[in-house]
Amino acid sequence: NAGVTQTPKFRVLKTGQSMTLLCAQDMNHEYMYWYRQDPGMGLRLIHYSVGEGTTAKGEVPDGYNVSRLKKQNFLLGLESAAPSQTSVYFCASSKRETQYFGPGTRLLVL
Amino acid sequence: GQQLNQSPQSMFIQEGEDVSMNCTSSSIFNTWLWYKQDPGEGPVLLIALYKAGELTSNGRLTAQFGITRKDSFLNISASIPSDVGIYFCAGQLGGSNYKLTFGKGTLLTVNP
Repeated sequence: NAGVTQTPKFRVLKTGQSMTLLCAQDMNHEYMYWYRQDPGMGLRLIHYSVGEGTTAKGEVPDGYNVSRLKKQNFLLGLESAAPSQTSVYFCASSKRETQYFGPGTRLLVL
Repeated sequence: GQQLNQSPQSMFIQEGEDVSMNCTSSSIFNTWLWYKQDPGEGPVLLIALYKAGELTSNGRLTAQFGITRKDSFLNISASIPSDVGIYFCAGQLGGSNYKLTFGKGTLLTVNP
């Protein structure tokens, strides 16, 4: 039982490049979330999903897109990366209130 | 959006000391959660609180759900070096999406 996994662990992008972050969970959770963590800012919700095939905007959705084609996977896309998107990205999943987090993806945009 | 005020922002203590931190909000929450994040890792759940006034312990950690439902406290007794990390509070307003609002964290440093 791996819980929540994220790939890649670390990535460097140039401004304007695109990439997709993958989150996978093996706990059969309905709810999945993408956060970004910046120094002094805590965790801010980017997008979330309440079930397979659904997505919704969180607190800071601009510049990101998501998809939930399979219940166990939640993808976060950056179409045209900007330096302001340099951050640590965390995925989480939950059955109800308690969210379980992945180990994070560290993204540097030059 | 909702905001949680978490304090203190950082603490530097000696091993063996007790620690207290808290979160307050202008909004009423249905659930309070406390997480710990080690360097380079994702947050890990410490304690979950579901009822106003609830007091819950997990080893040396004790957390309380405030009576007003607008605050929560976390206490760590007899701190040890591995308690080092960032502690986050999170509140859930209610509703079917179970979104959490996070505080900005308390950075705890324990001097051996």
